[in-house]
Parts: sequence; C-alpha cells; structure tokens
Amino acid sequence: GEDVEQSLFLSVREGDSSVINCTYTDSSSTYLYWYKQEPGAGLQLLTYIFSNMDMKQDQRLTVLLNKKDKHLSLRIADTQTGDSAIYFCAERGSGTYKYIFGTGTRLKVLA
Amino acid sequence: DAMVIQNPRYQVTQFGKPVTLSCSQTLNHNVMYWYQQKSSQAPKLLFHYYDKDFNNEADTPDNFQSRRPNTSFCFLDIRSPGLGDAAMYLCATSRAGDSTETQYFGPGTRLLVL
Repeated sequence: GEDVEQSLFLSVREGDSSVINCTYTDSSSTYLYWYKQEPGAGLQLLTYIFSNMDMKQDQRLTVLLNKKDKHLSLRIADTQTGDSAIYFCAERGSGTYKYIFGTGTRLKVLA
Repeated sequence: DAMVIQNPRYQVTQFGKPVTLSCSQTLNHNVMYWYQQKSSQAPKLLFHYYDKDFNNEADTPDNFQSRRPNTSFCFLDIRSPGLGDAAMYLCATSRAGDSTETQYFGPGTRLLVL
C-alpha cells in the first residue's frame, strides 16, 4: 500500500529542538520531502532528501533517513514560535510525478 | 520572483452554482497539479497536466474538471458544487526532468459552498 504516517501533534517549548517523524511504505521512493503549512496558506517546501542519503542539514533543519526502516525525520533546532505550523512529509516514487503525503503533524511551540 | 499564483484566495459559491478557480505560474514548469485539502487532512491529488496531457486520478469525481489553455495557466472547474466540496484547493507546479521534481505550491483558494 501507499501509506505515509505521521504523529498528529507535537508540542515543544521555545528554544528546544523538535523532532517530527514520518514512516512510509514505498521502498522505490526516490525523493522524500518536508513541507510546512501555516494556517490558511499553501505548502512551503522546507527541504528534501534523496533516497541514497542518510542525512541532510540545512541551517536549523536536519533530515534523517533510515531507508531500511522506511523512517524519515525532521529535526528543527532552536524551535521558535514562528515554527508553529503543520508539517507534511511526502514521498515520490520512481517514475511518477505523484506525491504521497503524510497525514501531517501539527507543531505547537510554547513561549 | 518566480511563483505560483492562485486567484481568488477566497471564493464563496452557492450549492449547485458552477465555479472556476484559477492558477498561474511564472516558473515555466511543464507539470501543473490541483489538490483538494480538507481541514486538518493531507492534500488529495485531483488531477495533473503534463504539458497538455491531462491525467485524472481514479477517484476524482466527474464534477471536477480542469483546463490548461497554455503553459502558464490552469483552471479548476467545479460544475455543481456540493457542500462536501468546501475545502482549500491548492495548485502546484513542477518541472519534469529536474532531478528532484520538487512541487511548488500556490497559496491556495478556500472555497465556501452555501
């Protein structure tokens, strides 16, 4: 099947690190993506990782990929109140344009 | 800045009254997508265009149609909106052949059906 699962909610204190997890099922996925969605807005691409990589770092964001366990995570260092949003992971299989989105994780940052 | 633009941002229509949502892009991407997103859910792909080739998802209702008159514009037509069609509609674009084929999203149009 093509299910991408995420935990629904995460709450952290400002300044702490946030870790958002995602599990996927399509082992042929070539790229995996993280998007951020603020209330009433579209999806903003945060970062992506190619399936032959284990880790990618981009400023405060660190993506870890465990291909064996089909597990993807997004770590946000020094989380700020402006990071409060819904975060979606998405996978794209080989030879397709279609994304399979996760269920989304609502991150709440407490001041 | 290159971008994906959606108009209007908010649209109110009446039950059964046809409505058209529009999307334009300055990225010169050859693939354009329409998604429906209901509250607190993941976006659901309705259809996409690869250049002029239309690709409908199997579970997209016939009530939803699309037009792409040129590379820059794509329209979503809802022929007879029902209350269940109230949602955020997201347009996205990508360039086929790019190594990452990243999709870039517009800000969305929120549709309210009265």
